[in-house]
Parts: sequence; C-alpha cells; structure tokens
Amino acid sequence: EIVLTQSPGTLSLSPGERATLSCRASQSVSSSYLAWYQQKPGQAPRLLIYGASSRATGIPDRFSGSGSGTDFTLTISRLEPEDFAVYYCQQYGNSPGTFGQGTKLEIK
Amino acid sequence: QVQLQESGPGLVKPSETLSLTCTVSGGSVSSGSYYWSWIRQSPGKGLEWIGYIYYSGSTNYNPSLKSRVTISVDTSKNQFSLKLSSVTAADTAVYYCARTVGVTTGYFQHWGQGTLVTVSS
Repeated sequence: EIVLTQSPGTLSLSPGERATLSCRASQSVSSSYLAWYQQKPGQAPRLLIYGASSRATGIPDRFSGSGSGTDFTLTISRLEPEDFAVYYCQQYGNSPGTFGQGTKLEIK
Repeated sequence: QVQLQESGPGLVKPSETLSLTCTVSGGSVSSGSYYWSWIRQSPGKGLEWIGYIYYSGSTNYNPSLKSRVTISVDTSKNQFSLKLSSVTAADTAVYYCARTVGVTTGYFQHWGQGTLVTVSS
C-alpha cells in the first residue's frame, strides 16, 4: 500500500501568514487522486481538496492544493483564526486508500 | 445537505463482534453516484479506511481487515452497517461513516460525527 508522509509534524504560524503543508507518497499516486482534510478537536474530518487541486463545495479560496506524482502541497494563503487545526492528506488512486499521519497547524 | 449518523454500542468485549449502523438523511444510499464507507481513527494507527459498499451490495474492504469485516446496506431504511468480528483492544477507535466519491477507494465527501468504540472486558 502507498505510505503518505506529511511534513512538518507541527507548524507554528500567526494569523495572516501563509501556510505550506507537504504530503509525500511512497510511490506515484494514480491520476493525482489525492485529497486534503481539516480536522478540529472533537470533530470529524472535513473535505477541503480532492483531485489534488479541486476545492470542495464551500471551501474558501484561500485554500489551494497542488502537486502530482509523489509530491503534493496544501497552501493556505492567509491564515484565519479558524484554520488552526490538524490537516490530513489521503490518496485514493490505489487500493487501499491511505492517509498521512497529519500536520498540526498551531497558533504561534 | 446530506447528514450521516453513526449508532451502536460504545463498549464491546474482546473476541466479540462490533456492530455499527449509519443512518443517512438528506440523501439516498440508493444513489448510484456514491459509495458508502466506514473509516476509523485511533491514536496508534491514525485514520484507516475500513471499506465501502455500493447500493447494489457490491463491497470493497481494506485487505488488512478483510477477514473480519462485513458491510451491508438496507435501502429501505436508508442505512448501511459495519460488523467487525473477533475484536481486540487494537480495534478501539472512533468509527466514522462517510459518503464516498470516486474511483478505487474514493474520497470522503461527507462524514458522520463519529462514535467511540472501546474494546474492553
């Protein structure tokens, strides 16, 4: 199965700053079938991005995804207070679908 | 807006079978556009896809759990269910159901709130 490695483990930034989160796959992800989720404490994950770069319904345009092959990035252009959470990547091009271990985005 | 709600026992004894149901509202499990998945999250293993079912009854399971998992669908009740047999403490986790889109195992478009299942005697 494909192993996804997210970096950094924790990212400390201030509101208004730009966040760049990385997801690296152990082998190429078919057809850029990669998704990003946001999870806040006590809540289920929420879909942000699918197909590596398509925003899900209702997701603000400050969230963007990019990448292909084995390297993918989630960028939050200007952090809002509600963006501080844990972010997960997930590949669904190969079975079984797998998740990264998460990046915690915390307020500096 | 589709909503999903998990239900079932929060405590299961080792070696017994974990049983959960997901009730879907605001949408139909009979929709041919979606699959219906179970995912779990534990501190030790993170997020793990368990498997999915299509309204026709076709299933796809994670090979790591395949020998112990059964997912079924009841279109008349707009529900789908998970059974995980021979549970151990390693199966303690928050279990989520989700509406799933796409190929292979798909991505998870809408999630239930999750239910904590503890395996303990």
